[in-house]
Amino acid sequence: GAVVSQHPSRVICKSGTSVKIECRSLDFQATTMFWYRQFPKQSLMLMATSNEGSKATYEQGVEKDKFLINHASLTLSTLTVTSAHPEDSSFYICSARLAGGRRQETQYFGPGTRLLVL
Amino acid sequence: AQTVTQSQPEMSVQEAETVTLSCTYDTSENNYYLFWYKQPPSRQMILVIRQEAYKQQNATENRFSVNFQKAAKSFSLKISDSQLGDTAMYFCAFMKQRANNNAGNMLTFGGGTRLMVKP
Repeated sequence: GAVVSQHPSRVICKSGTSVKIECRSLDFQATTMFWYRQFPKQSLMLMATSNEGSKATYEQGVEKDKFLINHASLTLSTLTVTSAHPEDSSFYICSARLAGGRRQETQYFGPGTRLLVL
Repeated sequence: AQTVTQSQPEMSVQEAETVTLSCTYDTSENNYYLFWYKQPPSRQMILVIRQEAYKQQNATENRFSVNFQKAAKSFSLKISDSQLGDTAMYFCAFMKQRANNNAGNMLTFGGGTRLMVKP
């Protein structure tokens, strides 16, 4: 139980294009999903908290117009990297929390998406 | 703000032996959760173990156990009978506990410890 998927797992795009990454909770409902960025050999950096039906909360230093987050349903959140540049190349990971019930504090992570911007 | 520190960037252990990974944290909160996550080469984050701060008993999950010292703000992970599949990055993480629900609380991660299990 508590499986989170991400699509695509890997994407290569040209500079200036936009890329959408999907995060789905497959067997549970998640009112809250989180988006992280991870550089090689470093820890996870929280980018934003995505709440179903409302605007995302972005961490300091993360451009909301650059990284568009939509959480349209209890099982899907999307991250769109707009006008991607090579410095946006990174590993993006989402996580989701159970909506209600026990263990709401536990985050379940997706497998990540590797983005390479040429 | 909370901070989580993992002072060991890299560690190695022989297969079947025991290893302990260190984690300290700084917080003014009294109620919180602590976690250890594992990130193998596949990069999939996997929950290893969790601890509720109000519980004095140390959490245990099979070969994994923690030594939670609340006063010292220390939360170390012990891996017994190490296996090759334990080779991974290990992240310690902290989360505040809220009175009503914890749905929106964020995780604060440490910098990670790279563990290599040698045959």
